[in-house]
Amino acid sequence: DSGVTQTPKHLITATGQRVTLRCSPRSGDLSVYWYQQSLDQGLQFLIQYYNGEERAKGNILERFSAQQFPDLHSELNLSSLELGDSALYFCASSVGEWNSPLHFGNGTRLTVT
Amino acid sequence: AQTVTQSQPEMSVQEAETVTLSCTYDTSESNYYLFWYKQPPSRQMILVIRQEAYKQQNATENRFSVNFQKAAKSFSLKISDSQLGDTAMYFCAFMSSPFTLGGSEKLVFGKGTKLTVNP
Repeated sequence: DSGVTQTPKHLITATGQRVTLRCSPRSGDLSVYWYQQSLDQGLQFLIQYYNGEERAKGNILERFSAQQFPDLHSELNLSSLELGDSALYFCASSVGEWNSPLHFGNGTRLTVT
Repeated sequence: AQTVTQSQPEMSVQEAETVTLSCTYDTSESNYYLFWYKQPPSRQMILVIRQEAYKQQNATENRFSVNFQKAAKSFSLKISDSQLGDTAMYFCAFMSSPFTLGGSEKLVFGKGTKLTVNP
C-alpha cells in the first residue's frame, strides 16, 4: 500500500459530462501529481501541485482542471468529456524535493461512453 | 524535451532465470534521476529502483539491479532469480532537475515492457 488514496476506483459516464477525481496524498507529502495512462499515449504527465500551488503543467487539456486544497488533497476535474478521455488516471505524491520518488495511488479507471 | 525509449514491448523469462530490460533516454541535462517502476495486473505503480546520474555505482535493490551507462544514455534493469510475482509492465522513467534550464520535476515515462515470468 503506497499510502496514496484515489477515489473512485471506477467511473462510467457519458460524453459531454463532467467528473471529479479525488486524491489524498501520503501523510507528510506536499506534492501531488496527476498522470493519464492510455493505451496509445502511455503515461502522460498532466499537472503537479506543491503545497497548494501549481508547480508544473504538462499535456493537460483546457477542459481539465485541478487544484490542491489546504489539507493537501487534490481534485482533478474533467469536463465536456469525450470518448478519447477514457483512460486510467493516476495520482502520485512525494515529499516535494525534486529527486524524491513518486508514490502512486491505484488509479481511477474512467470510461466515457 | 526529454524522451525515454523502451525498445522491447514484451519479454518472457523462466522462473529463477535472469532477465534484462532495456531503456535509453535522451537529454542534454547533466543532473537527473532515473527510475524503474513496475505495474502488475493490479495496475498499481510500484517503485522498483532509482539511480542518480551523478553516482557512478549502479543501484541495487535485492534481486533488482541496474546497468547505468551515462555516456550511452542507457539504463537497463536486471532481474535475477525471476519470480512469478515479477510478472508486470515495467516502466523506465526520467526526471531532470527543475533548477536547470528546461528542467522539470515531472517524471517522463517510456512506453513500457510487458514481462511475463513462466513457471
